[in-house]
Amino acid sequence: EDQVTQSPEALRLQEGESSSLNCSYTVSGLRGLFWYRQDPGKGPEFLFTLYSAGEEKEKERLKATLTKKESFLHITAPKPEDSATYLCAVQARGGGNKLTFGTGTQLKVEL
Amino acid sequence: DTAVSQTPKYLVTQMGNDKSIKCEQNLGHDTMYWYKQDSKKFLKIMFSYNNKELIINETVPNRFSPKSPDKAHLNLHINSLELGDSAVYFCASSQLLGATDTQYFGPGTRLTVL
Repeated sequence: EDQVTQSPEALRLQEGESSSLNCSYTVSGLRGLFWYRQDPGKGPEFLFTLYSAGEEKEKERLKATLTKKESFLHITAPKPEDSATYLCAVQARGGGNKLTFGTGTQLKVEL
Repeated sequence: DTAVSQTPKYLVTQMGNDKSIKCEQNLGHDTMYWYKQDSKKFLKIMFSYNNKELIINETVPNRFSPKSPDKAHLNLHINSLELGDSAVYFCASSQLLGATDTQYFGPGTRLTVL
């Protein structure tokens, strides 16, 4: 069975204090690994898709990387508006497109 | 011009009642999904439909019945509601089946069963 574990569960940063979120996964044939951002009371908002080990993608202060066992979401010089829950999900080959999610990392960036 | 919309946003009802949640997407996508997010924020797939055909039924109680009148709509009907059904339900859509394709989520429907 596909599994996704995210750590830490919660992270509190000062504005400008860079850090990384971790997503460890086991999947029977990875088709893609997805990162989403979820604000309170809203639906998940797509950030990145990574397809193979060694791949990296960037968007503003966020950079996602992928290895064969885990993915990292690096946040450089975060701002308060980066506060949200970050969700990682995997999609397996032959899984009918279903996403298997982790439980997320709740990020709070303070002034 | 909301991409994936759901109604209602909030639903409060008594145990034993029957209720429906509606979902519409205007992205022209072929595949739609229902996910359930529990109180611990864990998101889990329930169903997916491709062009009105059921693709995934993830061992959901048969009190839950999805219906897709056309490929832009996927509704979720729940019979005999139970306390454990309280959760946030998200609809999502993507363009392709069988490919790594981004799923776009709706705003969610918070269901509270009393």
